[in-house]
Amino acid sequence: AQRVTQPEKLLSVFKGAPVELKCNYSYSGSPELFWYVQYSRQRLQLLLRHISRESIKGFTADLNKGETSFHLKKPFAQEEDSAMYYCALSPRGGADGLTFGKGTHLIIQP
Amino acid sequence: GAVVSQHPSRVICKSGTSVKIECRSLDFQATTMFWYRQFPKQSLMLMATSNEGSKATYEQGVEKDKFLINHASLTLSTLTVTSAHPEDSSFYICSVISGTSGHEQFFGPGTRLTVL
Repeated sequence: AQRVTQPEKLLSVFKGAPVELKCNYSYSGSPELFWYVQYSRQRLQLLLRHISRESIKGFTADLNKGETSFHLKKPFAQEEDSAMYYCALSPRGGADGLTFGKGTHLIIQP
Repeated sequence: GAVVSQHPSRVICKSGTSVKIECRSLDFQATTMFWYRQFPKQSLMLMATSNEGSKATYEQGVEKDKFLINHASLTLSTLTVTSAHPEDSSFYICSVISGTSGHEQFFGPGTRLTVL
């Protein structure tokens, strides 16, 4: 069975500082990995997925198959980045239901 | 992206009653919808996959007789929590898959169920 681990429940950084939210996964095949974000009082929304290799809102994430990691990074945090971030895995490119990590609450201090 | 609504947004019921939660895809036809539940301060857990016109597929440990799913049309899936108990109190969230967006999942706003 697949599993997604986000070791940090809470991460607090100052505005302008770099941010890294950690995500590790376990799955025997080649899954697709996602980062979802939930801003206060809003629904969950896709931030980025590893196959698209995009940078969204300044965030990037690289899939490291050797370390089974998919850490989310941003070089300069902004206050509007404060939110809950969930790493998620899908065995079949998103066509299956997602397995989520427990989430990291990111707080950007002014 | 797809627009997904849920109704009701919150419901309070007595123990032993049944509660129906609706998930609607407002702007496209969804052959597949997913139901998740989220306990306070915890992550989302996939409960079941709802397929239009066929039986839902439940995840291990989810009671199919307890959580009845009906996906009778391409825009509506319903989750009925039967004989609800306080331990069923949770946040229930649905999502739909958009094939035109590379299988991106779009989430509803969720339904907060409180069983007294």
